[in-house]
Amino acid sequence: QQPVQSPQAVILREGEDAVINCSSSKALYSVHWYRQKHGEAPVFLMILLKGGEQKGHDKISASFNEKKQQSSLYLTASQLSYSGTYFCGTEMGYNNNDMRFGAGTRLTVKP
Amino acid sequence: DTEVTQTPKHLVMGMTNKKSLKCEQHMGHRAMYWYKQKAKKPPELMFVYSYEKLSINESVPSRFSPECPNSSLLNLHLHALQPEDSALYLCASSQGVAGNQPQHFGDGTRLSIL
Repeated sequence: QQPVQSPQAVILREGEDAVINCSSSKALYSVHWYRQKHGEAPVFLMILLKGGEQKGHDKISASFNEKKQQSSLYLTASQLSYSGTYFCGTEMGYNNNDMRFGAGTRLTVKP
Repeated sequence: DTEVTQTPKHLVMGMTNKKSLKCEQHMGHRAMYWYKQKAKKPPELMFVYSYEKLSINESVPSRFSPECPNSSLLNLHLHALQPEDSALYLCASSQGVAGNQPQHFGDGTRLSIL
């Protein structure tokens, strides 16, 4: 089942912050975050596992709220290089191996 | 540069042609995937190979035929495709089949059906 991402699009100025949300109506085992720039392959950012955790990656971090089955991606002090489409991918089980992507959030960072 | 290599980068074919897409990885990954991506849409899972065996087929039409000759290679054979099959076809690999493994994507093959 496809997770629900919000917002659909965000426009920021350099240095501003953004939050992208990803939620599921079913219990999740893991949430993956990827960024895809126009004409390029999706690039892995991070994975969060059930049990509720937070992960950080320089100024990009994420959390997973198991009670709400929701993950949030936090982009702090955005840079021009953060522009792209962010997808969350969700897996229901350890061995399911059938990740479903959300519809994506298009992030544009302007100077 | 990505560690998953896909060829060709672009392919134009008629509806009666037969062609193949190729994907190669040398990271020792044991799971490989085919996705289809339409413009401004997320990747859609088509097939999953786990330890060279087909483990998931997402009800993909038989005009798409996957093949995994060995642990490093994944092919997608195309025959009698329809115009709506025009899309970016992405290959990915992961170390294993567990839901805690990141997927590494190739740059894709952009397919156009005339």
